[in-house]
Amino acid sequence: GAGVSQSPSNKVTEKGKDVELRCDPISGHTALYWYRQSLGQGLEFLIYFQGNSAPDKSGLPSDRFSAERTGGSVSTLTIQRTQQEDSAVYLCASSLWASGGAGNEQFFGPGTRLTVL
Amino acid sequence: GDSVTQMEGPVTLSEEAFLTINCTYTATGYPSLFWYVQYPGEGLQLLLKATKADDKGSNKGFEATYRKETTSFHLEKGSVQVSDSAVYFCALLSGGSYIPTFGRGTSLIVHP
Repeated sequence: GAGVSQSPSNKVTEKGKDVELRCDPISGHTALYWYRQSLGQGLEFLIYFQGNSAPDKSGLPSDRFSAERTGGSVSTLTIQRTQQEDSAVYLCASSLWASGGAGNEQFFGPGTRLTVL
Repeated sequence: GDSVTQMEGPVTLSEEAFLTINCTYTATGYPSLFWYVQYPGEGLQLLLKATKADDKGSNKGFEATYRKETTSFHLEKGSVQVSDSAVYFCALLSGGSYIPTFGRGTSLIVHP
């Protein structure tokens, strides 16, 4: 079956513009995560969805970042008024469910590389 | 809170050498433990996992054993290949948590 897909794969934008990043999780996966990976860095957690609700938004770095998920499926991460420090790879992951135990491994998309000029 | 500590990289090896990447963790309760691998230009993919103490996860010649007494989950491979060059992430998910905790990643470079 299809894995997690993300679009676009690359996005170059000018400082101050808004961008939307899209994630299509694996069908039937209830949990969806967004991470940011800066060059040479580990994963920075941004936000987690369980179904359409986001119980944990604690990782969003500022109010310029927002995310939504509709129909328990597709998710969009929006960055308003982009800054150069937003340049990174944005990774989306989904899992069957979120809590500990079997079946909780994450399946990652290939990422969107965002470059803010 | 939960934390994962991995050895600093990069780890540079010759082909067919033995690989160990250390991972230790701090967590409440009995977490599930994971190793993910990220090949250049790609997202992370699950390499192996273990869900309880003394479990051994294995895949593609890689192994890791869940050691509760030493809170460790070291990744090993007997004979690495050039194609194993990637970044390896150790991660845990505690039973009461919904957010996995990842280590910072260890870059592995294998030379022919």
